[in-house]
Amino acid sequence: AQSVTQPDIHITVSEGASLELRCNYSYGATPYLFWYVQSPGQGLQLLLKYFSGDTLVQGIKGFEAEFKRSQSSFNLRKPSVHWSDAAEYFCAVGPLGGGFKTIFGAGTRLFVKA
Amino acid sequence: DVKVTQSSRYLVKRTGEKVFLECVQDMDHENMFWYRQDPGLGLRLIYFSYDVKMKEKGDIPEGYSVSREKKERFSLILESASTNQTSMYLCASSPAQETQYFGPGTRLLVL
Repeated sequence: AQSVTQPDIHITVSEGASLELRCNYSYGATPYLFWYVQSPGQGLQLLLKYFSGDTLVQGIKGFEAEFKRSQSSFNLRKPSVHWSDAAEYFCAVGPLGGGFKTIFGAGTRLFVKA
Repeated sequence: DVKVTQSSRYLVKRTGEKVFLECVQDMDHENMFWYRQDPGLGLRLIYFSYDVKMKEKGDIPEGYSVSREKKERFSLILESASTNQTSMYLCASSPAQETQYFGPGTRLLVL
């Protein structure tokens, strides 16, 4: 069955430190992969996406993610975290089988300490 | 910029009431989606629509129905609200098989 796993429910990093959020997926073929961010009380906003080509993808707000087929992973990284990055981050896979359904991970909440 | 709006940010209803949640997008997207978001469960798809008057069940359609009479508008209906439908409801739209654009969400409390 197709699935997305975000192993970390929450992560705390110091402002200025580097960040890596983990995402593993289970899917029968090369998926479309997304990272979304949700600020408190808001909807989700796309950070970046991978459809094909270069496996290192650049996104907004200084984020990047690397697709590793051998590890079925799509981890999100940022070299220096800002206090405004505190939010919940969702990894997603889709659309599945050429259809319309996107599967979201359970999310990782990022806390940033001064 | 794509804009997806939802009719209410917060809603309080009583058990048994009929509840309408409205979603409007302004980018002529074919696809529209309704999700519910609960802590620790991520987003779960309730229904989606790929064209006017077309709809498909998602993973958790029980207790919900939808309506899409116009391309820009997708409504979620709780026929008889129950306390276990207390949740955050998110609407999204997308062009065919592409990035989804989300509304701000409606936080529904059923008493």
